[in-house]
Amino acid sequence: QSVLTQPPSVSAAPGQRVTISCSGSSSDIGNNYVSWYQQLPGTAPKLLIYDNNKRPSGIPGRFSGSKSGTSATLGITGLQTGDEADYYCETWDSSLSEAVFGGGTKLTVL
Amino acid sequence: EVQLLESGGGLVQPGGSLRLSCAASGFTLSSFAYAMSWVRQAPGKGLQWVSGISGGTYYADSVKGRFTISRDNSKNTLYLQMNSLRVEDTAVYYCAKGAHAGSYVELDNWGQGTLVTVSS
Repeated sequence: QSVLTQPPSVSAAPGQRVTISCSGSSSDIGNNYVSWYQQLPGTAPKLLIYDNNKRPSGIPGRFSGSKSGTSATLGITGLQTGDEADYYCETWDSSLSEAVFGGGTKLTVL
Repeated sequence: EVQLLESGGGLVQPGGSLRLSCAASGFTLSSFAYAMSWVRQAPGKGLQWVSGISGGTYYADSVKGRFTISRDNSKNTLYLQMNSLRVEDTAVYYCAKGAHAGSYVELDNWGQGTLVTVSS
């Protein structure tokens, strides 16, 4: 069971917008930065968002991140079929002294 | 270009040991400018952070006392020594680079992974 809670799946039509939530506590999200990763089928994860809302170079502006209190959200606009993947949030847990991931959310673009 | 290449995975019996390696190129491990992590993914499951090294070392509770992370600066290689392996340690193990020192969360480069199977 993951420390961070994500919905198992979300879906939306091409061109639409979707959000993925990540819920934690004061010992993790509440006091630490959040990152988001995209894992396409059969590949290694890829960093999408870091420091709650920053994008590494090469990541399209369609991807955005935000954080409020003990929750974080990944937003994806202009959905494409190539966005179908598993998405994970990650943060540091100050009480456990270890990094923790959410359980992952499978995005389906209908 | 940063590249991470894991090796050392395979089939091992419960209670056995295995050492994973991660050969890094395109940056210098010994500079201590970057933290390094091991992250695993059991078949059909999500990601689990296993261990990290920067100035110090950190471990997930589930592997503490059994796994040891280390690096050989002369070989620019990261290691994960895994002892007392359990069936539940079966997973693809990824090596990942942190964006800066002490960063176990901002993992900006990943290897392709190596599969560890613990089974009798």
